Amino acid sequence: QSALTQPASVSGSPGQSITISCTGTSSDVGGYNYVSWYQQHPGKAPKLMIYEVSNRPSGVPDRFSGSKSGNTASLTISGLQAEDEADYYCSSYTSSSTVVFGGGTKLTVL
Amino acid sequence: EVQLVESGGGLVQPGRSLRLSCAASGFTFDDYAMHWVRQAPGKGLEWVSGISWNSGSIGYADSVKGRFTISRDNAKNSLYLQMNSLRAEDTALYYCAKDLEPFRVGKNAFDIWGQGTMVTVSS
Repeated sequence: QSALTQPASVSGSPGQSITISCTGTSSDVGGYNYVSWYQQHPGKAPKLMIYEVSNRPSGVPDRFSGSKSGNTASLTISGLQAEDEADYYCSSYTSSSTVVFGGGTKLTVL
Repeated sequence: EVQLVESGGGLVQPGRSLRLSCAASGFTFDDYAMHWVRQAPGKGLEWVSGISWNSGSIGYADSVKGRFTISRDNAKNSLYLQMNSLRAEDTALYYCAKDLEPFRVGKNAFDIWGQGTMVTVSS
């Protein structure tokens, strides 16, 4: 159950777009369309932003989008806003019927 | 209001036990799978365990298998985590989280989270 691989940090200016990658294996990300993305602000509980690779729960702005190619999933945030600054985590269902998270990515809005 | 409230955390010595509880309200508890996710201080999220709506399917992370037991009481709208043989590396904020679906095989997307209960394992 190795953690999925995410970049430690990404940054962008307001209005720009950024993409966070999440790399796993054929036993998790590549094997299922069950990738989720979470946003976590300091001292707060995580918030679901994307599920099943590209679906947004109600209330999540359409600036947030998800995709997947092979063993790598991606979260794209367009039109960056100051309130998007947070930690982002991906997760995936695995062939062992467990869930594995990524190590997390700190997004800085410059 | 949809809410999850965890309790039962605290300071415990290595090798001892602790039982966490999660009280659910504002939704039909027995329609959904439930999970425990933990976060060590300054670290990332780690899935700990999950249980299907009817307790028919249960899973654990390798790091806790054989030491932790997840359970639920649908009549009481409550989720539990029995933690035995605690180790220093179990020190973390433990979150209770609601799945989007009743089953463990599938989305495993967590749309409602509690605020967490802190477990500190230290002598």
